Amino acid sequence: EVQLVESGGAVVQPGGSLRLSCAASGFTFDDYTMHWVRQSPGKGLEWVSLITWNGGTTYYADSVKGRFTISRDSSKNSLSLQMNSLRSEDTAFYYCAKEFCSTTFCYGIDSWGQGTLVTVSS
Amino acid sequence: QSVLTQPPSASGTPGQRVTISCSGWNSNFGTTYIYWYQQLPGTAPKLLIYRNNQRPSGVPDRFSGSKSGTSASLAISGLRSEDEADYYCAAWEDTLRVFGGGTKLTVL
Repeated sequence: EVQLVESGGAVVQPGGSLRLSCAASGFTFDDYTMHWVRQSPGKGLEWVSLITWNGGTTYYADSVKGRFTISRDSSKNSLSLQMNSLRSEDTAFYYCAKEFCSTTFCYGIDSWGQGTLVTVSS
Repeated sequence: QSVLTQPPSASGTPGQRVTISCSGWNSNFGTTYIYWYQQLPGTAPKLLIYRNNQRPSGVPDRFSGSKSGTSASLAISGLRSEDEADYYCAAWEDTLRVFGGGTKLTVL
């Protein structure tokens, strides 16, 4: 059974830092592109970042570029998101998610964790 | 503001067929693949459609996707009460993944 379990969510002050982690199991981690997607309470989905299967390429939404860093550790089947210079608008549930991408197209984000809540407030 | 535009709400009665639209406003939309997700209250999203009109295994054939020009649609036939959820379209915008604003479907 595929499992994605996020951790690290907390209440943090504006300007602070936080590191989210995602433990993956039940699938071949190294075969998948991994994403972070967030959702502010009562709002829609916002894609945050992705990292390709081998960690060679990362992309970020403009809203987090330069502040967030995505990384993966294949030895631990884990995904991380280092978040710096946090703002109130970063308050959201953060989901870890996986997607299989071939050389020609991606098959869609097919599994999501249950999310971890990050609250940025003074 | 998302580059993918969805109506904020839609509704239907049990057994009815409903459609949810997703429109793009740049030239890339015509060549990009559209994905659809369902989010039931209090749960993580679930993939319904990939590559415009493909269903992952386990998704009922009541759900179908289509795309033409700068608009895509998700159709749900034989509407059921358990289909009441938020629905999101998604696509690649250059190297970024973008989501539509979401459509809240109410089953009357």
